[in-house]
Amino acid sequence: DGGITQSPKYLFRKEGQNVTLSCEQNLNHDAMYWYRQDPGQGLRLIYYSQIVNDFQKGDIAEGYSVSREKKESFPLTVTSAQKNPTAFYLCASSIKGSMDTQYFGPGTRLTVL
Amino acid sequence: AQTVTQSQPEMSVQEAETVTLSCTYDTSESDYYLFWYKQPPSRQMILVIRQEAYKQQNATENRFSVNFQKAAKSFSLKISDSQLGDAAMYFCAYRSAYGRSGGSNYKLTFGKGTLLTVNP
Repeated sequence: DGGITQSPKYLFRKEGQNVTLSCEQNLNHDAMYWYRQDPGQGLRLIYYSQIVNDFQKGDIAEGYSVSREKKESFPLTVTSAQKNPTAFYLCASSIKGSMDTQYFGPGTRLTVL
Repeated sequence: AQTVTQSQPEMSVQEAETVTLSCTYDTSESDYYLFWYKQPPSRQMILVIRQEAYKQQNATENRFSVNFQKAAKSFSLKISDSQLGDAAMYFCAYRSAYGRSGGSNYKLTFGKGTLLTVNP
């Protein structure tokens, strides 16, 4: 079964700690994305990557970092510099190109204690 | 910058009836794509339907159809024969069709969502 997996489903972090959220896809998609969702809000783009070893900042990249060493993997690190990290994080992927629909993973709920 | 507005924070419908969710957007571009995504309580975003702006014909997927009014920048979603499983948050999203340096045309811009309740 092809799809996008995110782990863990729930994540708790103490203030001042970095934490990494996993996103893996076996759809052979070129492009991958990270979005953040806050209560009562739509999704906002954090980072995206169109190809291995390349990525660009989205609208709210401050306090986050990513890597894209493999086509199927796009991990997101939430650093201690992120002032309000408690949120729901969604990973998505698409075939490279302007036509393509983005498909989403099940998400990770991050809570800072 | 593009914006997407969903003016109905909540809607309700009786099972088997029809409901329409509204979405308006603001853009200066002539070529773009519009989407409706559904987010059930599991919180996974599921694509419902998509529309290419250059197509005049409204998209349809089974019980889901859109009313795309390009001049009015309106993109409403109609759900026919509503089912209990349709209960979810629905998001309207915009994506540019133009390439830009850094590939920002790939970004989806979302509205704040409409929570749909289906009453038995």
